[in-house]
Amino acid sequence: KAGVTQTPRYLIKTRGQQVTLSCSPISGHRSVSWYQQTPGQGLQFLFEYFSETQRNKGNFPGRFSGRQFSNSRSEMNVSTLELGDSALYLCASSLQGSGNTIYFGEGSWLTVV
Amino acid sequence: AQRVTQPEKLLSVFKGAPVELKCNYSYSGSPELFWYVQYSRQRLQLLLRHISRESIKGFTADLNKGETSFHLKKPFAQEEDSAMYYCALTHGSSNTGKLIFGQGTTLQVKP
Repeated sequence: KAGVTQTPRYLIKTRGQQVTLSCSPISGHRSVSWYQQTPGQGLQFLFEYFSETQRNKGNFPGRFSGRQFSNSRSEMNVSTLELGDSALYLCASSLQGSGNTIYFGEGSWLTVV
Repeated sequence: AQRVTQPEKLLSVFKGAPVELKCNYSYSGSPELFWYVQYSRQRLQLLLRHISRESIKGFTADLNKGETSFHLKKPFAQEEDSAMYYCALTHGSSNTGKLIFGQGTTLQVKP
């Protein structure tokens, strides 16, 4: 079966712009989580969606938001981009949560200039 | 505070040598612990979880609640084990997609 798919894989944005990243989970998976990965901070949890509702949220400013659609696909949005938002953004999905195996996508590389 | 600590950024061993990747955690409650691995140019993937008590690719990890540790061990390292290893935890009974990761340890197995 197809794995977790993220688009776009690479993008460059300018400070102050906004960006939307997309994630298609494995078919049948209802939990989708997002993580930010940077060399300095490592892997940090952004938020999790389950059945279109945000179930958990990490310690990120309100500029970071997300949503999940009825087909479980998810998007995350970052508004008013800052240089420090440059990172690899990973999406992960599972059937229901950590009780099942969590599968990761390849990530979206965001560079803010 | 919930925290996972992997004290070594890089661990370099020779093929056939034993490997121990250290992981310590701080968590108030009953966590579930995992090891994830990322091979070169591949996505992050689950290696093992403490509740399953499995041995995957020769790796084992025992949860020591007294020492709050979950070290990953393998008796004889192989070159194909070279990768980035992350220790992670989540709330044991919550069944959520929220994982707290350590900073990761790069394992380099030399021929």
